[in-house]
Amino acid sequence: ETGVTQSPTHLIKTRGQQVTLRCSSQSGHNTVSWYQQALGQGPQFIFQYYREEENGRGNFPPRFSGLQFPNYSSELNVNALELDDSALYLCASSLSTEPNSPLHFGNGTRLTVT
Amino acid sequence: AQKITQTQPGMFVQEKEAVTLDCTYDTSDPSYGLFWYKQPSSGEMIFLIYQGSYDQQNATEGRYSLNFQKARKSANLVISASQLGDSAMYFCAMREGITGGGNKLTFGTGTQLKVEL
Repeated sequence: ETGVTQSPTHLIKTRGQQVTLRCSSQSGHNTVSWYQQALGQGPQFIFQYYREEENGRGNFPPRFSGLQFPNYSSELNVNALELDDSALYLCASSLSTEPNSPLHFGNGTRLTVT
Repeated sequence: AQKITQTQPGMFVQEKEAVTLDCTYDTSDPSYGLFWYKQPSSGEMIFLIYQGSYDQQNATEGRYSLNFQKARKSANLVISASQLGDSAMYFCAMREGITGGGNKLTFGTGTQLKVEL
């Protein structure tokens, strides 16, 4: 049990719509990151948040955005959904003060765009 | 160049035997960390083991050990006494610039391990 929970577990959206995925980080973990995992591939880093500010981003367009809240929860928002956005979205948290600590992942949200 | 390479898309092992999953990496950063995660079909990513670039000894965690060969840039995972529950996808991942922390991991493409009776 990692203490990281994500909701919903599954979601179906139509191309062009917007979606919000939610994550509740492990208590005390002030750094959260989001990953996209397409079928048959490894997770790809989207971005990370530290103390409610984005401080690192992967190769994803601006229609992928996020928020981090003081209560350790966070959101991933995706606008103008495309078919290729269909994937498992993973949230991960860690203590930034422990650079060698592993990321603790949630169970993910499986997004299907039709 | 790929930062993390896992050349074995699938592996089979007999129950109770040991298995080695290969991982090679590429970085010019002297400070980095290497991780192995297990992902069952349910989707969760389960942390298994960590090796820091400055660690002198190979990491071990129960039945998991990491065969770290820095000069060859390899970080192979060894699972001893395989169990049926070890059947899953296994990912090798790297974090560069570990002194600054950060949650950016670069993952390989994974190895699907199946443990047979």
